[in-house]
Amino acid sequence: AQSVTQLDSHVSVSEGTPVLLRCNYSSSYSPSLFWYVQHPNKGLQLLLKYTSAATLVKGINGFEAEFKKSETSFHLTKPSAHMSDAAEYFCVVSVGAAGNKLTFGGGTRVLVKP
Amino acid sequence: GAGVSQTPSNKVTEKGKYVELRCDPISGHTALYWYRQSLGQGPEFLIYFQGTGAADDSGLPNDRFFAVRPEGSVSTLKIQRTERGDSAVYLCASSSQTGTEQYFGPGTRLTVT
Repeated sequence: AQSVTQLDSHVSVSEGTPVLLRCNYSSSYSPSLFWYVQHPNKGLQLLLKYTSAATLVKGINGFEAEFKKSETSFHLTKPSAHMSDAAEYFCVVSVGAAGNKLTFGGGTRVLVKP
Repeated sequence: GAGVSQTPSNKVTEKGKYVELRCDPISGHTALYWYRQSLGQGPEFLIYFQGTGAADDSGLPNDRFFAVRPEGSVSTLKIQRTERGDSAVYLCASSSQTGTEQYFGPGTRLTVT
């Protein structure tokens, strides 16, 4: 079985300050891990993915995440928040050797204050 | 190129009615997935197809739900005897093969009154 826990349902940051979204996972297999972003009235967009290569993964729009097996964590960070980063973010683990079925966390809604 | 498309974008139906939701995947993508996103939650897996066959339908909540993909391209999610608890956004995704990045459509918002 596998699961994902996003530790914060809401995060509020000021524009220009760092963003940290926390995610812990549980998986019976070596996981593939993803972060997706969902802007209002838009489809889910992949930010980045970890698939057992480098543990520090860089994604689009300045986001990055670090896979820490000892802590079963995959936290998402960005050094400087922009207003356009306001959205909902999902941490996701893929299931099974083929990585076909995605299991989503509950989401973290990010508010960016000017 | 065109992404994943879903129709209709919104569907309002009465309790007990039958509904069909359509998904057009990215051309050439062999894998197709359905997820359901209830208000305030993350998407939950329903079913996935590899080609024409359902490779994993373990997420379908009960026998009122089923999906088809007869020609290995377009898929239809069918819900019989709808209930108010079926109200959610139904998301479709496709990938070029199992295990690669999934591209999501905009979803169909289903409201059962």
